[in-house]
Amino acid sequence: DIQMTQSPSSLSASVGDRVTITCRASQTIISYLSWYQQKPGTAPKLLIYDASSLQSGVPSRFSGSGSGTDFTLTISNLQPEDFATYYCQQSYSTQRAFGGGTRVEIK
Amino acid sequence: EVQLVESGGGLVKPGESLRLSCVASGFTFSSYSMNWVRQAPGKGLEWVSYISSGSTYKYYADSVKGRFTISRDNAKNSLYLQMISLRAEDTAMYYCVRISGSYTDDYWGQGTLVSVSS
Repeated sequence: DIQMTQSPSSLSASVGDRVTITCRASQTIISYLSWYQQKPGTAPKLLIYDASSLQSGVPSRFSGSGSGTDFTLTISNLQPEDFATYYCQQSYSTQRAFGGGTRVEIK
Repeated sequence: EVQLVESGGGLVKPGESLRLSCVASGFTFSSYSMNWVRQAPGKGLEWVSYISSGSTYKYYADSVKGRFTISRDNAKNSLYLQMISLRAEDTAMYYCVRISGSYTDDYWGQGTLVSVSS
């Protein structure tokens, strides 16, 4: 089974900051990597798919990069509505796996 | 507009059964594979089960294999998860998720809460 390791597990940042979250797969997943944002009490929302493609309607301050086993989510110019938990997920395998999540908190 | 609406959650005792449903609208349900994903209170996301568009292929997480059964009724635009022999560790919000043509889990329902406690 593919394992996904996400870091950091939490971070504190200020509005306007640039934030980077990393995700590592236990084997190559090519570019089958998605990023989700989840706010308390709501379902996850797709931000990035295929490692770097921006989902329709998602602000351009969100970007993704990487391939193979190492991936990055970057949020440039952090906005108040971006404080949430972020998850990576591999879709290379039908048996999905998620990273443990990164909680982005207000500094 | 794509909509996925789950139902069927509730409070049950260990060893009991429950059947979750998900009604889809806003897209051609029969053309899409689907997932169930769960999230225990305060925890991360865990994939539970997958079903292909025509029900040919079904896969399960090891944690639920033999106890959960995924199914669908394309005529009713509905996805199901039959859960038996429920355990305390099955307590979670269960989400119905659509899989896009690019193998991305693109749309999620609002979830239905399953609580297993004596």
